[in-house]
Amino acid sequence: DAKTTQPTSMDCAEGRAANLPCNHSTISGNEYVYWYRQIHSQGPQYIIHGLKNNETNEMASLIITEDRKSSTLILPHATLRDTAVYYCIVRVGLGGGFKTIFGAGTRLFVKA
Amino acid sequence: DAGITQSPRHKVTETGTPVTLRCHQTENHRYMYWYRQDPGHGLRLIHYSYGVKDTDKGEVSDGYSVSRSKTEDFLLTLESATSSQTSVYFCAISEAGLGENTEAFFGQGTRLTVV
Repeated sequence: DAKTTQPTSMDCAEGRAANLPCNHSTISGNEYVYWYRQIHSQGPQYIIHGLKNNETNEMASLIITEDRKSSTLILPHATLRDTAVYYCIVRVGLGGGFKTIFGAGTRLFVKA
Repeated sequence: DAGITQSPRHKVTETGTPVTLRCHQTENHRYMYWYRQDPGHGLRLIHYSYGVKDTDKGEVSDGYSVSRSKTEDFLLTLESATSSQTSVYFCAISEAGLGENTEAFFGQGTRLTVV
């Protein structure tokens, strides 16, 4: 699986959009970009994933650059409950399934 | 939330004792995983299973064994617990197969302290 690079931490004002970047310059053509988050003391929660096209769901939007070497997770209207560690993961569906190692992620602080 | 239950949620045990953690799912997913999470290390894969009685090692498998006798249950055993195995353990499930595109769902974790 390709390695990802994320900022250690970010701040965002409540109600504003939170834009979380991720670099994955060694991504392969068949690897997907996944985002998870982990709120304190809870299990990681799936947010969104994509391959080439931008994706949007009820939680967030995922913008992937044309060369696929980086992506941005957008939380359109951040709330205090969005304070969490956000993990960007790049993976391919291996025979062993979701054999992905989560890195340190980005700690997002949403402030009132 | 996906139907994943980890038990126990908290446990304190003594060095050298055996410990078994249980993960139970109601989603009938084929793949199940055990991760541990430690400060500064993110989540690291211990073992995973791709079917009943089919398991394989992850990145940090030393000192751990697993068993899966039923689709719904995946057990993680520490044969002789050590202080370095003090951690938060997460179970996950997924439908992923070769080349498939799917997400994984995580349990709420088990906090294990070895004293």
